[in-house]
Amino acid sequence: GEDVEQSLFLSVREGDSSVINCTYTDSSSTYLYWYKQEPGAGLQLLTYIFSNMDMKQDQRLTVLLNKKDKHLSLRIADTQTGDSAIYFCAVSGTYKYIFGTGTRLKVLA
Amino acid sequence: GAVVSQHPSWVICKSGTSVKIECRSLDFQATTMFWYRQFPKQSLMLMATSNEGSKATYEQGVEKDKFLINHASLTLSTLTVTSAHPEDSSFYICSARKQGPNTEAFFGQGTRLTVV
Repeated sequence: GEDVEQSLFLSVREGDSSVINCTYTDSSSTYLYWYKQEPGAGLQLLTYIFSNMDMKQDQRLTVLLNKKDKHLSLRIADTQTGDSAIYFCAVSGTYKYIFGTGTRLKVLA
Repeated sequence: GAVVSQHPSWVICKSGTSVKIECRSLDFQATTMFWYRQFPKQSLMLMATSNEGSKATYEQGVEKDKFLINHASLTLSTLTVTSAHPEDSSFYICSARKQGPNTEAFFGQGTRLTVV
């Protein structure tokens, strides 16, 4: 079946850039998403990219997609303490979405 | 983006009772809705996919008699946790997908269920 993998933890200093990576197996994925989840809260959609794009930038967020390697990344520029959360990538198949394992980002002041 | 409303946001119930969680797409029609469960510090596990007017498709290992899903209209799906037990305590999240394959899905804010 489909598989979506992320590294579990990432720690960065405030002001640095964060890069969160995601690999997936389903080559038919059309939409690829990044979600943020703060403790005890639901999912917040950060951004998403359509599979015919290589890059998408939205303010401090940059999404890179390498379809050949089935690799998705999220770069957060000028990371702030408020960015500390769990970040999930999600990929869409024809009829359902599969989530990655989540990356816990910790921002050190 | 489109709005998906999930209700209630949190609920506490006694063991043995049933709890119903609603998922509504407020400004679009969703032929397909998904229900996910999230254990503490873990990812979201897809429980089932429901299509309007037909029976839900459950993922392997999910008890369909335990987690009843109804998708009676294009804007509403419900998840009923029957005869709840403490191990059913979890965070349940729904998402609704616009009509057609390979379309965007939007997520509710989640429901935290605690069974005591």
